Amino acid sequence: DIQMTQSPSSLSASVGDRVTITCRASQSISNYLNWYQQKPGKAPQLLIYAASSLQSGVPSRFGGSGSGTDFALTISSLQPEDFATYYCQQTYSSPWTFGQGTKVEIK
Amino acid sequence: QVQLQESGPGLVKPSQTLSLTCTVSGGGSISSGSYYWSWIRQPAGKALEWIGRIYTSGSTNYNASLKSRVTIAVDTSKNQFSLKLSSVTAADTAVYYCARDTRLYYGSGTYYVDAFDVWGQGTMVTVSS
Repeated sequence: DIQMTQSPSSLSASVGDRVTITCRASQSISNYLNWYQQKPGKAPQLLIYAASSLQSGVPSRFGGSGSGTDFALTISSLQPEDFATYYCQQTYSSPWTFGQGTKVEIK
Repeated sequence: QVQLQESGPGLVKPSQTLSLTCTVSGGGSISSGSYYWSWIRQPAGKALEWIGRIYTSGSTNYNASLKSRVTIAVDTSKNQFSLKLSSVTAADTAVYYCARDTRLYYGSGTYYVDAFDVWGQGTMVTVSS
C-alpha cells in the first residue's frame, strides 16, 4: 500500500495567515492526489483534485501543488471557516489511502 | 443535487456482521453516469480508511486489509448500495461514510483522477457486547 505522510500534524494560525500543509507519498503517484477538509462531526469535503485543480465551489484562497511524491496545500489567507482538519489522499493505486490529517487551529 | 444517506444499526455485537445501506437520492438513478460507490470509515480521532467500492455493473474493489470480511453490493432498483463486514471486533468501531467515487477530468480533459466528490453524513457504529 502507498503510505501518505502529512506534516505538520497540527498547527496554530491566525485569521489572515498564509498556511501550508505538506503531504509525502511513499512512492511516486504522479498527480493522483486529492485534498479534503473535515470539520468536527461532519463528512470530509473535496477541495483539490489532481494535485492542483480546484473543486467547483471551493474558494480560490485554496491552492494545491506538487507532483511525484511531494505535495502541498496552501491557504493564502486563512478565514474563520477554514479551521478544520485537512487530509490528503492518493488514488494512484488501490487501495486508496489517506494521510493522517493536519488539524488547523486558531492561534 | 445528489445526496447520500447511510442507515443501519448503531450497535453490533462482537463476532457478528455489521450491515449498512447507503441510499442515493436527488440525482436520478444510481446507474446513471460512470461512478463507483465507496465505503470509508473513521475511528474516533483517527484518519480515514477506504474500505472498498462497487460499480453499478457489480464490479468491486476492496481494501486487502479487510477483503476477507467485506462484501459490498448494489441494488439499482432501490438506488442503494450496501456494506457487510463480518466477524467484527472493537477495532471496527468507527463512523462509516458512503461516498461517490468520481472521475474528475482536468487540463485538456484527457486525464482524470478518482476522487470522492459527494459524501453521506456518516453513521456511528459501535461494536460492543
